[in-house]
Amino acid sequence: QVQLQESGPGLVKPSQTLSLTCTVSGDSISSGSYYWSWIRQPAGKGLEWIGRISTSGSTNYNPSLKSRVTISVDTSMKQFSLKLSSVTAADTAVYYCARVADYYYFAMDVWGQGTTVTVSS
Amino acid sequence: SYELTQPPSVSVSPGQTARITCSGDALPKQYACWYQQKPGQAPVLVIYKDSERPSGIPERFSGSSSGTTVTLTISGVQAEDEADYYCQAADSSGSYEVFGTGTKVTVL
Repeated sequence: QVQLQESGPGLVKPSQTLSLTCTVSGDSISSGSYYWSWIRQPAGKGLEWIGRISTSGSTNYNPSLKSRVTISVDTSMKQFSLKLSSVTAADTAVYYCARVADYYYFAMDVWGQGTTVTVSS
Repeated sequence: SYELTQPPSVSVSPGQTARITCSGDALPKQYACWYQQKPGQAPVLVIYKDSERPSGIPERFSGSSSGTTVTLTISGVQAEDEADYYCQAADSSGSYEVFGTGTKVTVL
């Protein structure tokens, strides 16, 4: 059964770059049926889609974050990553990684447990 | 930017039917899906392609679409259905995804 696990620093200073990695286990990351996505959720608020990447490296980003976001994939390591630059307190949130299945019409069918990132000096 | 609008809250008695709407201009062009999120947990996919249920999701969860609105219906609501629910769909060009504003379902 496929599982996703987020990892990375829980505390990032303002103006620095937030870096998170999602490790995929139990299935291939290279299947053409899947994309890999990042989502975040500030405490007590709703979900915000950050972006997604295909196994070939094609990306789509949230227009409101596009200038600061980079998502990359390393199929050999079965990982995909998120970098968010110039962070502020507004970027404090629980960050989730998720699998996007084309047979589910681009719905996210498997999610990581989430990791909390706080932006503070 | 594109938005999907949901009612903030829906209250329902056990055994009754809860209906949650999600409105957006691109919904006639793009399929929507729905997630259930309980406190402290990651979201769970309950409906995809407007009305299809993934395996393992109870039959009491159903979805429908009409024009610019999609609806999640929970028939015979149970206490365990108390959660936040989010719709998700792409913008009209399919360039990016958007989540709805979220609806808190309270089982009275």
